[in-house]
Parts: sequence; structure tokens; C-alpha cells
Amino acid sequence: AQTVTQSQPEMSVQEAETVTLSCTYDTSESDYYLFWYKQPPSRQMILVIRQEAYKQQNATENRFSVNFQKAAKSFSLKISDSQLGDAAMYFCAYRLVYSNYQLIWGAGTKLIIKP
Amino acid sequence: GEEVAQTPKHLVRGEGQKAKLYCAPIKGHSYVFWYQQVLKNEFKFLISFQNENVFDETGMPKERFSAKCLPNSPCSLEIQATKLEDSAVYFCASSQSGQANQPQHFGDGTRLSIL
Repeated sequence: AQTVTQSQPEMSVQEAETVTLSCTYDTSESDYYLFWYKQPPSRQMILVIRQEAYKQQNATENRFSVNFQKAAKSFSLKISDSQLGDAAMYFCAYRLVYSNYQLIWGAGTKLIIKP
Repeated sequence: GEEVAQTPKHLVRGEGQKAKLYCAPIKGHSYVFWYQQVLKNEFKFLISFQNENVFDETGMPKERFSAKCLPNSPCSLEIQATKLEDSAVYFCASSQSGQANQPQHFGDGTRLSIL
């Protein structure tokens, strides 16, 4: 079965601190891409970061970085120096290379930033 | 255009009525995806198109739901004889190609409320 599990329905962090959102997934395929999307209250879906499964190096985008553990099928998102604008729902998803290109989604983690 | 444009932003229908949602993908993007986000934030894949051809419709309910992407027209998702359970936010996304590393760019969604 193709599934994505985000075990933290809600997380809170103090402004300027670091927070890590967890994500595990299950697939029998070896070639895929992983994504983190952010959905603020405005409902817009914003791509935060993506990771190629064949790359061992963890992706980084400014304050956002991932810890990708392929053997463990884990893909956590670390947000450094949290800002009020980071408050949103965060969705983890993956997409198989040799398949129908749809995104397989987790249920999301609500991130609250405390000022 | 530079963004995925979804209309209307909010659609209210009485149970049993028809609902039609529209999506204009980013110019030059050949793949279009429809997702349904229900109240618990879960994303469900519905259907994808490669240009005007259905690419994958494994997520589409067999009854009542239909979708089209015609040349020179916005894509559309139509629900006949709506039910209360159809209440959700419907997102359209487009990507430049079908390659798995291509991010899907999302519209702002259409909130469908069935009364």
C-alpha cells in the first residue's frame, strides 16, 4: 500500500526556535520524489521543499531542511528560526517516478508559532 | 497565465443540484490534476489529464463526477446530483510535464458547500 503518515496532528514552537515535523511513508518502489507543501489559512498550497529519493544529500531551502532516511522511509522537515509567517498546515507527499504522477499525501501537521 | 486559476472561490449548492468547477492551468503546463480536500484535511486524488486526454482517473467516483480539459478552454470538474459528503475544497494543480520531479503548482481551490 502507498501511504504517508504524519504522526503529529499539531505542533507548536516559540518564535525563532527550531521545530521538526515528522513524516514516514510506505512504498515498494525505489524511485520517487518527496515533497513538503505548506497550506496557510489562505488555503493556498505552497511547495516548501522537495527531495529526490536517489540523492543521499538532504535538500535545503533557506530555513527549511529535510532529514531523509531512505531505509527507514522517513522524511522529516526542520524549520529553523521559526517565524510567525510559518504558521500553517504542512503536508508531506511523494510521487512515484514510474507511475501515474499523482501525489500521495499525508494528513498534515498544524504548526503553531508562539510569539 | 503565471498561476493556476480556479473559479469560483466558493460555490454553494443545494443537495441534488449540479456543481461545476473550473481550472485554468499555468500556460505551457501539459498536466492537470484534481484533488479533493475534505474537512479533516485529507487530500484525495481524483483525476489527471495530459493536455485534453484523461491520464489517470482511478480516484474519480464512477457516478456523478466527470471532468474535461478541452483545447483553449479551462478544465472543468462537474458533480451531478450533489450530496452532503461532496462538501470539500477542490484543488486543481498543473505541472509542466509528467516527470515526477516536476512540482505541481496549485490553485487556491474552490470551496464547495452542499446544503
